[in-house]
Amino acid sequence: DVKVTQSSRYLVKRTGEKVFLECVQDMDHENMFWYRQDPGLGLRLIYFSYDVKMKEKGDIPEGYSVSREKKERFSLILESASTNQTSMYLCATLPQFGQGNTGELFFGEGSRLTVL
Amino acid sequence: AQSVTQLDSHVSVSEGTPVLLRCNYSSSYSPSLFWYVQHPNKGLQLLLKYTSAATLVKGINGFEAEFKKSETSFHLTKPSAHMSDAAEYFCVGSGGSNYKLTFGKGTLLTVNP
Repeated sequence: DVKVTQSSRYLVKRTGEKVFLECVQDMDHENMFWYRQDPGLGLRLIYFSYDVKMKEKGDIPEGYSVSREKKERFSLILESASTNQTSMYLCATLPQFGQGNTGELFFGEGSRLTVL
Repeated sequence: AQSVTQLDSHVSVSEGTPVLLRCNYSSSYSPSLFWYVQHPNKGLQLLLKYTSAATLVKGINGFEAEFKKSETSFHLTKPSAHMSDAAEYFCVGSGGSNYKLTFGKGTLLTVNP
């Protein structure tokens, strides 16, 4: 089974702090995603990566950056956290086209961030 | 452009009664469509997917969905609700490249004893 691990399940940070959210997967998937989930808004794509050191902006990248130095790890960085970034953050993976890709995303359990 | 609309933000049913969660989509090309379930404080899990092979799709835990092109709908159903079905459900569309997924805003299903 694919395992997507978000090591920090709950975080509380102060405004202006730098925040790192880590996501690690063990199934050698090329594509990794960071979503933000807010009540009534569903999931919104922040950034995704289709290869090591490659990244593309999603629908709401402002205030965020990402890092993918190794294939299995995709980090979301909040350079200066703000209260409007209080949210649930979900990491997901997807295999490459033609390599068992059925379109199914595999999700981690989420990181709930509160910024005070 | 593609959009996915879940018509109900909250659905409440009694245990043992049918479940209907509604989803409409719009797409300029034939989409792939998915239903995911999210239990409290968990990630999303795939329930079922439509990829044009068959219009009636069966998923896990007794759920199924029917793709109706004429109505641009992909409603999720289950004949008899169980308490463990209480969760949030997301309809998701994919067209063109798979990384461009469009999520509905979610439907919270409550199951009453």
